[in-house]
Amino acid sequence: ETGVTQTPRHLVMGMTNKKSLKCEQHLGHNAMYWYKQSAKKPLELMFVYNFKEQTENNSVPSRFSPECPNSSHLFLHLHTLQPEDSALYLCASSQDPSGGISWSTDTQYFGPGTRLTVL
Amino acid sequence: AQTVTQSQPEMSVQEAETVTLSCTYDTSESDYYLFWYKQPPSRQMILVIRQEAYKQQNATENRFSVNFQKAAKSFSLKISDSQLGDAAMYFCAYRRQGAQKLVFGQGTRLTINP
Repeated sequence: ETGVTQTPRHLVMGMTNKKSLKCEQHLGHNAMYWYKQSAKKPLELMFVYNFKEQTENNSVPSRFSPECPNSSHLFLHLHTLQPEDSALYLCASSQDPSGGISWSTDTQYFGPGTRLTVL
Repeated sequence: AQTVTQSQPEMSVQEAETVTLSCTYDTSESDYYLFWYKQPPSRQMILVIRQEAYKQQNATENRFSVNFQKAAKSFSLKISDSQLGDAAMYFCAYRRQGAQKLVFGQGTRLTINP
């Protein structure tokens, strides 16, 4: 266990459904991330939150909507997804001792992921 | 843009033997960090080892060590005395100094034969 939990572990949804993925970190970190892992493709960073503020969005379609209510929780709200969005969605967190100034020493710790299937 | 390449989609090794996984990367930066992550069937991505580019000494963690060749932009992982629990996907990753984005390779699936 890395101290990062994700629920649900598996999710099957139709293209018209609305669902949410949840991530919680118990490490006292101040940054959280969403990654997408598709078959035969490298992991892709989707979003970065620092101190609850979104600081990076890697051209992710608007049908993916992140939410970070506090430094320990991160959500990914899903609506009107496409079959090609089926993938493993990984959450990660990290800590910068300088309080988010240099990000020079952090290591990202990952959750177990949510396997999403869009029908 | 930085890229990370793992040229071995699959590798296998006999239990108790040594195996080396290859990774090359492309960057114009001089300060960066390199990582090897392990992802077993449980899907939990676990950090195996990290290397700071400014350090000439190769990182080691118990049975895991790296061969970091900065000029060649090569970062291979050596696993000594392979164990059945080492079976997993192994990902090489790069992060630029001052950035949070990890750039991953496509992974190498390692099988341990008893």
